[in-house]
Amino acid sequence: ELKVEQNPLFLSMQEGKNYTIYCNYSTTSDRLYWYRQDPGKSLESLFVLLSNGAVKQEGRLMASLDTKARLSTLHITAAVHDLSATYFCAVDHRSGGGADGLTFGKGTHLIIQP
Amino acid sequence: SQTIHQWPATLVQPVGSPLSLECTVEGTSNPNLYWYRQAAGRGLQLLFYSVGIGQISSEVPQNLSASRPQDRQFILSSKKLLLSDSGFYLCAWSVAKTQYFGPGTRLLVL
Repeated sequence: ELKVEQNPLFLSMQEGKNYTIYCNYSTTSDRLYWYRQDPGKSLESLFVLLSNGAVKQEGRLMASLDTKARLSTLHITAAVHDLSATYFCAVDHRSGGGADGLTFGKGTHLIIQP
Repeated sequence: SQTIHQWPATLVQPVGSPLSLECTVEGTSNPNLYWYRQAAGRGLQLLFYSVGIGQISSEVPQNLSASRPQDRQFILSSKKLLLSDSGFYLCAWSVAKTQYFGPGTRLLVL
């Protein structure tokens, strides 16, 4: 069974600081996703990482993928309040032997305080 | 550009009542379609997916069913709702390697 674990699950940080969210998964996969969810809203796609060593950046967020370690990171640089949200990583279901769809981590609830 | 619609946006239903949630996609053909549920304490869970008209796969046993009567329409149903069916239901579609989510339907079963 495919398992996806994020940590931390809750993070409170100050504006201007840097931090990293970690996502580990249990079976081989070369496709990993990061999503953002604001309270009461749907999921917004942030990054799709498709190969070992992939790195993508958008503004203050940078995501990377190490398929050998089965680890992805989401790094936040000089955090601002607008980045407060819940961040999910997800792995292609087929990596766990399923046919299609995504398996999600529990999410990291990020609060950025002024 | 592609868009995905879900309705209703919110729904309050009594236990034992039927359910029908609808999802439609515009701007793409033959998408893979998915239903997910986000419920307190259970995270985001894949319920059903479909690769074409009339083709439905269920990921977990449950009180719900899905149908795909048209290429860009995906329906989630139940004959009798349970309290545990409460949650935020998200429809998603994918073409190539990314899944995009609809705005969701928030269901409260009382």
